[in-house]
Amino acid sequence: AQSVTQLDSQVPVFEEAPVELRCNYSSSVSVYLFWYVQYPNQGLQLLLKYLSGSTLVKSINGFEAEFNKSQTSFHLRKPSVHISDTAEYFCAVSPIIGSARQLTFGSGTQLTVLP
Amino acid sequence: SQTIHQWPATLVQPVGSPLSLECTVEGTSNPNLYWYRQAAGRGLQLLFYSVGIGQISSEVPQNLSASRPQDRQFILSSKKLLLSDSGFYLCAWSVSQGTLHFGNGTRLTVT
Repeated sequence: AQSVTQLDSQVPVFEEAPVELRCNYSSSVSVYLFWYVQYPNQGLQLLLKYLSGSTLVKSINGFEAEFNKSQTSFHLRKPSVHISDTAEYFCAVSPIIGSARQLTFGSGTQLTVLP
Repeated sequence: SQTIHQWPATLVQPVGSPLSLECTVEGTSNPNLYWYRQAAGRGLQLLFYSVGIGQISSEVPQNLSASRPQDRQFILSSKKLLLSDSGFYLCAWSVSQGTLHFGNGTRLTVT
């Protein structure tokens, strides 16, 4: 079994400032790691994922996350946020051996970008 | 390309009434299908998943049921809604252990 902890439920930040959304996980087996984003009244969209290889993964809109196995973390960062980044962000993990039904989500972090 | 359709977008139903939410996927065959419920500030809870027609697994005991009458159709139902059934319901699909692809959700309010 695995669990995901998103340490901040709300993160307000000013436009063009950097941001970090924290995610820690617990698992007895090796896992894949994901960040999903949810805009108001919409479903979730995959932002980025770590499956193997380089521990630093990047999205097309400037976000990046680094897998830190020793600290069991997968924090999401962006050096300069835009108003359009306002959304809820979910960290998720699934075991490498298993199925997507074993995907476990964190409780989410609401990122609000202020003008 | 693959698309997922979920409807209705919003629904207000009285306590004790039935429920039927529908989800269809296009552009892929034999997907794994999922129903999630999202409560405010509590993340996503997997309700049901299906690996094929007529094959439904329930993750939590509840007042809801699911059916998969066709390969790319997934239906969430209830015979009698409870107040606690209110929430945001999301359908999703994946292929084997791939990424989940979500629909736009249904906001259900039980009054």
